[in-house]
Amino acid sequence: ETGVTQSPTHLIKTRGQQVTLRCSSQSGHNTVSWYQQALGQGPQFIFQYYREEENGRGNFPPRFSGLQFPNYSSELNVNALELDDSALYLCASSSGQGIGRGYTFGSGTRLTVV
Amino acid sequence: QKEVEQDPGPLSVPEGAIVSLNCTYSNSAFQYFMWYRQYSRKGPELLMYTYSSGNKEDGRFTAQVDKSSKYISLFIRDSQPSDSATYLCAMSDSGGSNYKLTFGKGTLLTVNP
Repeated sequence: ETGVTQSPTHLIKTRGQQVTLRCSSQSGHNTVSWYQQALGQGPQFIFQYYREEENGRGNFPPRFSGLQFPNYSSELNVNALELDDSALYLCASSSGQGIGRGYTFGSGTRLTVV
Repeated sequence: QKEVEQDPGPLSVPEGAIVSLNCTYSNSAFQYFMWYRQYSRKGPELLMYTYSSGNKEDGRFTAQVDKSSKYISLFIRDSQPSDSATYLCAMSDSGGSNYKLTFGKGTLLTVNP
């Protein structure tokens, strides 16, 4: 059983640029959630995708957007990057069978905005 | 006031010690409580899950939830150097397929051999 894979592992972008982060969900999981984890903070919920549709959103501006594909993989896009967007971006997949089984998190993409 | 408060530590203990980690929360709607462990440069992994108030034990780990006080705890018995990690509490008001978690800041634990 493969876990959650995220790419790239690290990247550096300039303020104002756009970035796309990618996530392959765990086999058998149909729900993908994205979280932002700033240094020294806990993860914050960005949004969730289920069956290719956004299924809940946290307190993030519209320049954070996403996609889910038929194979349940997902992308997170951030436009007009700001310095405060520097963080670890975590993708988490779940089976859609409820909270008891928890998420499977990837190792994250470390984004630095300069 | 943040929805979930967690002392970030750091916490340093000798091997074999009993570790107590705690979180408080303000949202009465939270019913599902979890503890995640996050090693350096890794994503969080689920340690314990509890629904509503009560205790749950799994090996060396015990999770406690007191909804009346809005307080949750994780106890680690006979702590090992391999337990050195950041421990995150997390909560949700929904347990269905579209649940989202609200996390604490995390507590950095070091267990010294």
